[in-house]
Amino acid sequence: ELKVEQNPLFLSMQEGKNYTIYCNYSTTSDRLYWYRQDPGKSLESLFVLLSNGAVKQEGRLMASLDTKARLSTLHITAAVHDLSATYFCAVDSAGGATNKLIFGTGTLLAVQP
Amino acid sequence: DADVTQTPRNRITKTGKRIMLECSQTKGHDRMYWYRQDPGLGLRLIYYSFDVKDINKGEISDGYSVSRQAQAKFSLSLESAIPNQTALYFCATSDFGTEYSNEQFFGPGTRLTVL
Repeated sequence: ELKVEQNPLFLSMQEGKNYTIYCNYSTTSDRLYWYRQDPGKSLESLFVLLSNGAVKQEGRLMASLDTKARLSTLHITAAVHDLSATYFCAVDSAGGATNKLIFGTGTLLAVQP
Repeated sequence: DADVTQTPRNRITKTGKRIMLECSQTKGHDRMYWYRQDPGLGLRLIYYSFDVKDINKGEISDGYSVSRQAQAKFSLSLESAIPNQTALYFCATSDFGTEYSNEQFFGPGTRLTVL
């Protein structure tokens, strides 16, 4: 059974600082997704990583995937308050056409001025 | 216009009542999903459908049923609501497509409270 773990679960950081959120998963998969959720809102797709070594960047966020280590990272560069949200990673449960997403429990990011 | 819509957005009901949550999409996707979100537990899959004739149970389907009325519509029913079904419910869609991506697009959510 695929399990997805994120850490930390809560991250308080100052504006201007860098930090990384980690997403580990327990079984083989080469497809991983990152989502952002603002309080009381829906989930917004941030990154789609579809192969080993994939790296995607958007603004101050960069996501990468290492399928051999079963690890994805979401790196935050020079954080700003607008990045405060909950971030979820989700992993495809199988490589074929019947795949489902298994979500991590989320990382609540609070960026302090 | 929103691509994935859910109705109602908020609902308060009593134990034992039958409740239906509706989801519609204009994205033209074949795949639709229902999740529930509870604090500290992330999102858990209730049911999913890969086309109109295909319905599958997710990890927490007990106490729920679904209907896929058309490609664009996927409804979730609670036959006899109980308080531990109080949660935020999301509908999502995806299109497997040529990249074999399962990127999912979420509706705005329905906040359900069962008293």
